[in-house]
This record gives sequence, structure tokens and C-alpha cells, in this order.
Amino acid sequence: DAGVIQSPRHEVTEMGQEVTLRCKPISGHNSLFWYRQTMMRGLELLIYFNNNVPIDDSGMPEDRFSAKMPNASFSTLKIQPSEPRDSAVYFCASKQTGTSYEQYFGPGTRLTVT
Amino acid sequence: EDQVTQSPEALRLQEGESSSLNCSYTVSGLRGLFWYRQDPGKGPEFLFTLYSAGEEKEKERLKATLTKKESFLHITAPKPEDSATYLCAVQAHGGTASKLTFGTGTRLQVTL
Repeated sequence: DAGVIQSPRHEVTEMGQEVTLRCKPISGHNSLFWYRQTMMRGLELLIYFNNNVPIDDSGMPEDRFSAKMPNASFSTLKIQPSEPRDSAVYFCASKQTGTSYEQYFGPGTRLTVT
Repeated sequence: EDQVTQSPEALRLQEGESSSLNCSYTVSGLRGLFWYRQDPGKGPEFLFTLYSAGEEKEKERLKATLTKKESFLHITAPKPEDSATYLCAVQAHGGTASKLTFGTGTRLQVTL
């Protein structure tokens, strides 16, 4: 299996622009998670989906952030408008619902907002 | 609120010098404690899951143990390739049961 796939790997954008991050989970996994990692706060859960349905979005920092999962093999995280404080590495992770609880992470998208 | 504290923040070892990393946690009811390894520029890589106090798991030079308040990641005779950041996370029963709360990690450097 190719693992969790994220694109782009790096994104540099100007303040105020819209940013869209993409994720393809591992085939057969029905839970998907979006995290943000910074030096100051470490890894923080933003939102997660079970069977394409958002379950907990309490970690989404504000209305500028939105996430969708239109089908089992694709999810997006959108920031509109972007701000410099959004600069971080964004990870997508997936797992199977059931007896195993471990999540498998993608390589991340490094976002820089200038 | 679930909390995870890892210590030390950074650790430098010589090759072959064994040591332990600590993960202290506060959680309403522990469903699982997870250890991940993260290399620079990469996503966290799953290592172990521990479910109950007294449980131990091993993988090569790594052994993870669990008590009711903390977990240790023991590294025996480390090699330079063990250099990475090690992350600990907890998952609680109930509520949003899939949510993981991560610590900020221990950066391990193993030198020749």
C-alpha cells in the first residue's frame, strides 16, 4: 500500500489567499484525521471523519478553516483567507474503525504564509 | 482535559548508551497509549500501543512499558539511526473516542 498521500508537500502563499490541502487515506481505512504541528503547540487535532462524516471539529481554530470528505478516498482542508499564524505542517492520518486504534500519518504539507 | 507531558525535551546519547524516555499522562479513562517516531520532514510513524498498566511491548532496541500514570520508552544500546523525535499520545474512553492527545515529544540524538 502507498500509505497516506498528501499534496502539495510544500505551499508558500501570501496572506489573504485561499489554500487547499489534499489527502488520500489508506485504502480500506474509514477514519480520517487532520492535524497541525508547530514548534510551540506540537501536534493538534483539527478535525476527524468517520465514514466520510465529520465527527469532531472542535480543534478547528476558526471559521477560516473548513474540511470536507466527499468520498472514502479523498479529503480537503481549506484555509480562506490564510494568515501568517497559519504557517505550520499539516498532517493527514487514517485508521480502520474497530479493534485497532493506531493512526497512520501522511508525510505532511509544510505551509508558509507570508 | 487529557494531558500528556514528555521528558526530557531533548536527549543526546552515545552509541550503545541505554536510556529511557518518559511520558506522563492525565486522562479520564485510558483506552490506549501510543508511541510514535518522527524523523525530520516526515510524518509520525507508529511504534506501539499499550492498553493497560503492566503491559510491555518490544521492537528491536525499543521497549515500551505502561503504569497508571506514565509510560517509558526504553532504548537499549541505541544506534545513530535511532535518532528521531519520539512522540507519546493518549486516547480516552467515551466522547470522541478516536481523538489522540499528543505530547510535544523527546528529540533523541545518538552519536558515534
